[in-house]
Amino acid sequence: ETGVTQTPRHLVMGMTNKKSLKCEQHLGHNAMYWYKQSAKKPLELMFVYNFKEQTENNSVPSRFSPECPNSSHLFLHLHTLQPEDSALYLCASSQDLGTSREQFFGPGTRLTVL
Amino acid sequence: AQSVAQPEDQVNVAEGNPLTVKCTYSVSGNPYLFWYVQYPNRGLQFLLKYITGDNLVKGSYGFEAEFNKSQTSFHLKKPSALVSDSALYFCAVRDIERDTDKLIFGTGTRLQVFP
Repeated sequence: ETGVTQTPRHLVMGMTNKKSLKCEQHLGHNAMYWYKQSAKKPLELMFVYNFKEQTENNSVPSRFSPECPNSSHLFLHLHTLQPEDSALYLCASSQDLGTSREQFFGPGTRLTVL
Repeated sequence: AQSVAQPEDQVNVAEGNPLTVKCTYSVSGNPYLFWYVQYPNRGLQFLLKYITGDNLVKGSYGFEAEFNKSQTSFHLKKPSALVSDSALYFCAVRDIERDTDKLIFGTGTRLQVFP
């Protein structure tokens, strides 16, 4: 699990705040992902990056803005969120986008929007 | 459309007894199937996957899963449960022929192993 780190682990923010989530992978992988995990719901894929290029945006509202400066780092910039955006945000990486590849997950950032 | 169903929100089993966590899937083509485990305050950890070949797949921590194409199932099993196996388990599927980046997860099954 230490292969993928996420900071902060917990974040409380108001609806007018701007904050950023950070993910770093130490596995030499080329693909990175953001997921949203809410109680009683399946994991929702938000964004996929491959070699720093975004390959998927799963109809995510524009108040979530991803950034991938290199293959090891992934950010999720947050702005004017809603209370229903409160969830666990998970970052993951995989060697590449090959469909048989397993993904390696970070511990998540528990986000609470007031 | 691809989908995964985990019909049980929670499975309770006594330590030392065999356990099964159920998963069924729906894809238009052939599936790649995965099991992940999530311990409290942790991210998901990969357990095992079915890609091709032998229908019985062995994974980490003594877990195994059986791919059954006719029943479109991929149930997770362990012959003898440990208290430390208590966690949230997720089944996931990818449709090979859709060539998509998307891994579809089930809603998760909480496994509780009692001493």
